[in-house]
Amino acid sequence: QKEVEQNSGPLSVPEGAIASLNCTYSDRGSQSFFWYRQYSGKSPELIMSIYSNGDKEDGRFTAQLNKASQYVSLLIRDSQPSDSATYLCAVNWVNTGNQFYFGTGTSLTVIP
Amino acid sequence: DADVTQTPRNRITKTGKRIMLECSQTKGHDRMYWYRQDPGLGLRLIYYSFDVKDINKGEISDGYSVSRQAQAKFSLSLESAIPNQTALYFCATSSGRAGSYEQYFGPGTRLTVT
Repeated sequence: QKEVEQNSGPLSVPEGAIASLNCTYSDRGSQSFFWYRQYSGKSPELIMSIYSNGDKEDGRFTAQLNKASQYVSLLIRDSQPSDSATYLCAVNWVNTGNQFYFGTGTSLTVIP
Repeated sequence: DADVTQTPRNRITKTGKRIMLECSQTKGHDRMYWYRQDPGLGLRLIYYSFDVKDINKGEISDGYSVSRQAQAKFSLSLESAIPNQTALYFCATSSGRAGSYEQYFGPGTRLTVT
């Protein structure tokens, strides 16, 4: 059973602060990991992908992967009100034909 | 123009009707997917296709069928719509190349079955 779990939130942070979003997954045979941002009623938008242990930075976003502990996190620095959205974690398992399994998402609100 | 398009964007239909949702892409990707999204349940995979001749069931395929008419087109059909198929439906694509498994989503179709 492949499971991807996220804290549903809501998570509230003040503008300019760091938002930290976490995701755990159930199977060590995973291959790659993705963070999507979804505004209400809109489609998921890819923010970050990470394939190997460690940190990956892209602008204000940093993804952190720890395969031994089976978690992946997303840090958003200098949070802006426009970052207010639901953040979806997705995990790709190669032994399931590279299917994506999504968490139910964490709702983030950035307070001006 | 958007790389992944879906038609229609909104649809209201009655129980028992057959309905088709269409997806087209200009990304040149081989792999295409259909998901539905329900509040509190996240995105769930209905069907996926790795090429025109390769179609696979996902987690929740009952009540749905698909057709991959071309590399760029993947359609989802509800043979006899029922109210619990009311949801937001997304098409997605990916290249499937090693080290490049990212999926890119279309704008979605909001389907209401009354």
